Amino acid sequence: EAQVTQNPRYLITVTGKKLTVTCSQNMNHEYMSWYRQDPGLGLRQIYYSMNVEVTDKGDVPEGYKVSRKEKRNFPLILESPSPNQTSLYFCASRRLAGDQETQYFGPGTRLLVL
Amino acid sequence: AQSVTQLDSQVPVFEEAPVELRCNYSSSVSVYLFWYVQYPNQGLQLLLKYLSGSTLVESINGFEAEFNKSQTSFHLRKPSVHISDTAEYFCAVSPRGGYQKVTFGTGTKLQVIP
Repeated sequence: EAQVTQNPRYLITVTGKKLTVTCSQNMNHEYMSWYRQDPGLGLRQIYYSMNVEVTDKGDVPEGYKVSRKEKRNFPLILESPSPNQTSLYFCASRRLAGDQETQYFGPGTRLLVL
Repeated sequence: AQSVTQLDSQVPVFEEAPVELRCNYSSSVSVYLFWYVQYPNQGLQLLLKYLSGSTLVESINGFEAEFNKSQTSFHLRKPSVHISDTAEYFCAVSPRGGYQKVTFGTGTKLQVIP
């Protein structure tokens, strides 16, 4: 089954404790992206990647890092989480083939930073 | 730069009644337009999209949206809603040829009342 998976789905942590949220897709998509969803703000793009070793900032990159060492994986790293990073995070992927391609979303990771 | 405005954060509607969810956008370049749906505790799914051609686009579950360039709008409509349509709906825009920079609206929660 074609899908985007995220782990963990739920995470409670404390300020300053480094964490990684994994994202993996099995569709051989070149493009991957991370969003955060907050009430009243909708989805905001954190980082995106056009292919292996190619990443770029989205609209809210501060406090986050990403890497793209393999085509299927795009982990989101919070080096020193803070309470304002408490949010619902979505990973997404799509083919680069053309404008008609659809973006597929993972199920989300709910993060609480105490 | 581009932006999306969804003025209605919540829309309650009786089952079998019609509904319209409003979306207005702002962009200095030509755009693609999307509606995504998020069912409770799930990720986002593409509902429909406008890339080019006919300004009226339809989804498989009875929703439709019309691109109005002069009014910079892409309102979502359904003539008769069902309980299963209860979800949050997000309008999104990306510049032509720049799909990596998708901007989402703040979302509209559609509550269908039996």
